[in-house]
Amino acid sequence: QKEVEQDPGPLSVPEGAIVSLNCTYSNSAFQYFMWYRQYSRKGPELLMYTYSSGNKEDGRFTAQVDKSSKYISLFIRDSQPSDSATYLCAMSPNYGGSQGNLIFGKGTKLSVKP
Amino acid sequence: EAQVTQNPRYLITVTGKKLTVTCSQNMNHEYMSWYRQDPGLGLRQIYYSMNVEVTDKGDVPEGYKVSRKEKRNFPLILESPSPNQTSLYFCASSLGQGYQPQHFGDGTRLSIL
Repeated sequence: QKEVEQDPGPLSVPEGAIVSLNCTYSNSAFQYFMWYRQYSRKGPELLMYTYSSGNKEDGRFTAQVDKSSKYISLFIRDSQPSDSATYLCAMSPNYGGSQGNLIFGKGTKLSVKP
Repeated sequence: EAQVTQNPRYLITVTGKKLTVTCSQNMNHEYMSWYRQDPGLGLRQIYYSMNVEVTDKGDVPEGYKVSRKEKRNFPLILESPSPNQTSLYFCASSLGQGYQPQHFGDGTRLSIL
């Protein structure tokens, strides 16, 4: 079982739809959870950052972490064509050394149609 | 402007010809790393560095070398490139390891013929 699982999609939605992106993980030591957005021909950029469980909201974006289920989600409300990108989840435990590196999901490609 | 700069952005070369991809950051970050991104495999870490002269292997280090002589620079060296190293490479930096958000460069697309 891979440490982080993410459905690669592609996911296509109409403009204005609510988008739900998800990742599951197996390592109960993960404490820090992030979502990165990657546009074509660009590097990933940090979109959302959460620690431990709970929700975090930033504009149209909401990140949820359910540690009991080892499941994280990113919701995009009122999706726009400019949201079309690949979304990568990433997570890390709370210790250093080689075990403390960030682990990425494979990314979900999202397309928002006008 | 805070940024991570990689060069070259694109390179086509032949098997066995040594190449270096440079990476430089202007944020005074201690932690830097290299990733490769391949379809269906996602981002995989090649090497990372926690500070000057401190480097360590990531998940896929075979065929690569790195050095960290200055805080801002972290070059990736392919001493004898092979076709299976054809990939999209990203350099990233952060204040610290793991839980610190990483800042990525815009990538280097390498094609090894």
